[in-house]
Amino acid sequence: DAGITQSPRHKVTETGTPVTLRCHQTENHRYMYWYRQDPGHGLRLIHYSYGVKDTDKGEVSDGYSVSRSKTEDFLLTLESATSSQTSVYFCAISFTGGYEQFFGPGTRLTVL
Amino acid sequence: GESVGLHLPTLSVQEGDNSIINCAYSNSASDYFIWYKQESGKGPQFIIDIRSNMDKRQGQRVTVLLNKTVKHLSLQIAATQPGDSAVYFCAENTMEAAGNKLTFGGGTRVLVKP
Repeated sequence: DAGITQSPRHKVTETGTPVTLRCHQTENHRYMYWYRQDPGHGLRLIHYSYGVKDTDKGEVSDGYSVSRSKTEDFLLTLESATSSQTSVYFCAISFTGGYEQFFGPGTRLTVL
Repeated sequence: GESVGLHLPTLSVQEGDNSIINCAYSNSASDYFIWYKQESGKGPQFIIDIRSNMDKRQGQRVTVLLNKTVKHLSLQIAATQPGDSAVYFCAENTMEAAGNKLTFGGGTRVLVKP
């Protein structure tokens, strides 16, 4: 998985609780992305980063925030988790910011 | 690892036969079209791309065809092998002010029968 790890790999939480997912890369790639994957929707971009402290919204960013304080880590935070955020979350990295992206193993999040 | 859910169109193919996976796209302004493969429990993996000014591109055992007239993309896998069992996603890339944007399709599951 191209030097990308995600933690935790599985999480069950309750509605209204905060959740933070971590993506860590050892490739020194500039671009990092958070996607969610739901049945019938493929992957949808939540947020992405084009450098340390530089982030922008994707198509499904409501209810999510991100932070990138160093090149290797990109954090995704659900401030107050809802059941609609139950999903599989993938982190991806890219050297050039182009369409060839390398994906992590995913995190399955269940919000009860 | 993690994987996509169960509600996917499925293509069952005999080992050794050729597979054809189809995809319809929506944005005429997309400059590249890409195929990703997702094996069970793993993240998606880049397979092959095609630029919008081309209609065919070949890789190792895979061929991508692009028909811009009907906004259709297909991936052909020659001599399908058990290791080809996976979910396949097409994606279209568009250039926006903030950089490249990838939009993924819903995916097709390929099951290879021995």
